[in-house]
Amino acid sequence: LAKTTQPISMDSYEGQEVNITCSHNNIATNDYITWYQQFPSQGPRFIIQGYKTKVTNEVASLFIPADRKSSTLSLPRVSLSDTAVYYCLVGGLTGGGNKLTFGTGTQLKVEL
Amino acid sequence: DSGVTQTPKHLITATGQRVTLRCSPRSGDLSVYWYQQSLDQGLQFLIQYYNGEERAKGNILERFSAQQFPDLHSELNLSSLELGDSALYFCASSVTGEDTEAFFGQGTRLTVV
Repeated sequence: LAKTTQPISMDSYEGQEVNITCSHNNIATNDYITWYQQFPSQGPRFIIQGYKTKVTNEVASLFIPADRKSSTLSLPRVSLSDTAVYYCLVGGLTGGGNKLTFGTGTQLKVEL
Repeated sequence: DSGVTQTPKHLITATGQRVTLRCSPRSGDLSVYWYQQSLDQGLQFLIQYYNGEERAKGNILERFSAQQFPDLHSELNLSSLELGDSALYFCASSVTGEDTEAFFGQGTRLTVV
């Protein structure tokens, strides 16, 4: 399983764009990159997943450079309700079970 | 609402006791995952089942066991409970078990006193 490194915390203000970068130098060829969001005392919630280049959905964008050794989750115009922990996961699709291992995550705090 | 149901929501029990946590996956999902989350350990993967069979194992203690039944619901059994087992226990489900989009339940908060 590829190890991931994310900033422990980030602060932002409402209306700003937030970019959270995840480093995964040992990513394997068949690994996908997945981001989850977790609010206190709730289960993590899937945000977005990608393999390469750029993926966009209604809540976020995911940028993955050609070497795939890092990825950036972009949250446009954040609000107070985006205050949460964001996890970057790398792996899955191994054919031998899927451990969906969560790292320590990034605590995003959005203020007025 | 993720479609994953966990019961009970809260559980308080004494050290040395045994408890069973239950999880019903989303309709159509064949795989179930169990996680433990505590303040000092973060989200720890415990075990994964797919269509009734154990698929992957994580940091699950020998005092803990799980199974997935033919109707695909799953149970996590925790025995000889210790104070340190107090945590939030999450169940998640996914369609194939090899997809990285999993849906988490609201969790069971276990307090061991």
